[in-house]
Amino acid sequence: TQLLEQSPQFLSIQEGENLTVYCNSSSVFSSLQWYRQEPGEGPVLLVTVVTGGEVKKLKRLTFQFGDARKDSSLHITAAQPGDTGLYLCAGGAIIQGAQKLVFGQGTRLTINP
Amino acid sequence: GAGVSQSPSNKVTEKGKDVELRCDPISGHTALYWYRQSLGQGLEFLIYFQGNSAPDKSGLPSDRFSAERTGGSVSTLTIQRTQQEDSAVYLCASSWDGPMLNTEAFFGQGTRLTVV
Repeated sequence: TQLLEQSPQFLSIQEGENLTVYCNSSSVFSSLQWYRQEPGEGPVLLVTVVTGGEVKKLKRLTFQFGDARKDSSLHITAAQPGDTGLYLCAGGAIIQGAQKLVFGQGTRLTINP
Repeated sequence: GAGVSQSPSNKVTEKGKDVELRCDPISGHTALYWYRQSLGQGLEFLIYFQGNSAPDKSGLPSDRFSAERTGGSVSTLTIQRTQQEDSAVYLCASSWDGPMLNTEAFFGQGTRLTVV
């Protein structure tokens, strides 16, 4: 079973459109991170949210952590081709007594010029 | 070094052979992680090191997989008697603190393993 469910798994839109990617779980997380991975590279951290209800903005990207700390969303305004990549959410949790960062399956985003 | 370095970047091996994958973390990072990424999938946790010890190796898929870390730095992931289902990109990450719940993880570029 996937602890973190991301939706949609694939998204292809035109340049200039807005989009939202979701990361949901039935578990509570101490924090949630969003990473972006480009082909042939490792994931790179975009943001960490730690407080329920927290909203962080990174230029055209807006990240929100759910009030109950079980979900998060990433909203991109006026998407650009440079936003293309695999977006991964990751939650910090205690699993089987060990602290671990658990990743979702990712949303593969394509922005068409 | 400036970043996390993994070698080789690509490895093609015959089914049944053993392979070793290497990770050089960022200097001074105490925590080191191995993840596996299959095509179209997210990251699958394999093992976590704090210094030279591995407090969490729960993600290793079978006893054919093992990993070690020496000198609190370089780590080697070994896969014995490789199978085709082992084909994936193996990613290494390091961070300053312990379990990277609130700290940034820095990833290497990965080793793409293909078992034929």
